[in-house]
Amino acid sequence: SQQGEEDPQALSIQEGENATMNCSYKTSINNLQWYRQNSGRGLVHLILIRSNEREKHSGRLRVTLDTSKKSSSLLITASRAADTASYFCATDGPGGGADGLTFGKGTHLIIQP
Amino acid sequence: DAGVIQSPRHEVTEMGQEVTLRCKPISGHNSLFWYRQTMMRGLELLIYFNNNVPIDDSGMPEDRFSAKMPNASFSTLKIQPSEPRDSAVYFCASRLGTIAGELFFGEGSRLTVL
Repeated sequence: SQQGEEDPQALSIQEGENATMNCSYKTSINNLQWYRQNSGRGLVHLILIRSNEREKHSGRLRVTLDTSKKSSSLLITASRAADTASYFCATDGPGGGADGLTFGKGTHLIIQP
Repeated sequence: DAGVIQSPRHEVTEMGQEVTLRCKPISGHNSLFWYRQTMMRGLELLIYFNNNVPIDDSGMPEDRFSAKMPNASFSTLKIQPSEPRDSAVYFCASRLGTIAGELFFGEGSRLTVL
């Protein structure tokens, strides 16, 4: 079963607007990661946030983590057409950091020029 | 660095045929993962290796699937015999350490079984 579930499944916004995607997970984690996947390509790592962190920034990306609610959000500010992609959250497996990551089904983001 | 290299990028085969997918991880990475992606099930972890040793293959769907990592620079995922429901994109990913950290994905192998 999926550990992380992204919401919404699809999001379409105008270029320049901010895009927010949410992720909920079920079990305790050591860290949570966000990945981007362009159509027909492999996944690319965006950002990692540890369980003892609440917020992290990287360029136009802002990630928050609320372990009490078992949820995370990814904010992309000042969106660009090139941000059109699917975005996935990923969490540690039951064995902690030594396991592979469990991915949600993703949010498909479309940036309208 | 060339990144994770997968081959073939696309394969079309007929039901019952053997399929072998190949992966070359990033040099120096100690963990390797095989994932399968479908629209219905999303990304599923099939198996992963730490230092060339299979750690967890509980995600391998059936005995028709097998994976090997004979050395640090090469891994294979084999399906024998293949079935139409195996049609998916298969990704290989590597990680520098054996505990935590980001995964580096290849571009995937798109398999179509007719």
